[in-house]
Amino acid sequence: DAGVTQSPTHLIKTRGQQVTLRCSPKSGHDTVSWYQQALGQGPQFIFQYYEEEERQRGNFPDRFSGHQFPNYSSELNVNALLLGDSALYLCASSYRASYNEQFFGPGTRLTVL
Amino acid sequence: GEDVEQSLFLSVREGDSSVINCTYTDSSSTYLYWYKQEPGAGLQLLTYIFSNMDMKQDQRLTVLLNKKDKHLSLRIADTQTGDSAIYFCAGRITGNTPLVFGKGTRLSVIA
Repeated sequence: DAGVTQSPTHLIKTRGQQVTLRCSPKSGHDTVSWYQQALGQGPQFIFQYYEEEERQRGNFPDRFSGHQFPNYSSELNVNALLLGDSALYLCASSYRASYNEQFFGPGTRLTVL
Repeated sequence: GEDVEQSLFLSVREGDSSVINCTYTDSSSTYLYWYKQEPGAGLQLLTYIFSNMDMKQDQRLTVLLNKKDKHLSLRIADTQTGDSAIYFCAGRITGNTPLVFGKGTRLSVIA
């Protein structure tokens, strides 16, 4: 049973560029939530996707956007990258828009230079 | 909104018990979680407790909840070197709301 997978593992970008991160949920899950974990901090909720729609959003600017596909996989897009966007981006999957028993992927480490 | 606080570091000897503490601010918090993060890895859900419970035990893990003081603790019995990791406390209020995480407690186990 495949768990949550994320790609790429690491990414280096420069300020002003755009980035796309990808996530495939655990088998049987239909909901994907994205979190940003800055160094030395706990994860912060970005948004949740269920039924191909953004259901809830945390306190992040519009530069952060996402998408969910019919197979439940999801993308996180960040435009106009800032140095402060450097972080570990975690994807978590669950069932039916729940936040209970979320399963997290290994994350994508984004470095903005 | 919810705020979750944790001490940043804890060091214990192998075989001893570890107790990781957490306080939260929102008395409406209904679900409280403990996650483990090993180096280079994502978060692993260890256990969670509902606010109508005082204690939950799962093998070497014991969670205690003091609702009056808004204090949550995770006790790891017979701590092993493989328990070295960062432990995150997280809470969420009732309804379908996202988790709010603390900054994590780094547990170091000395052999």
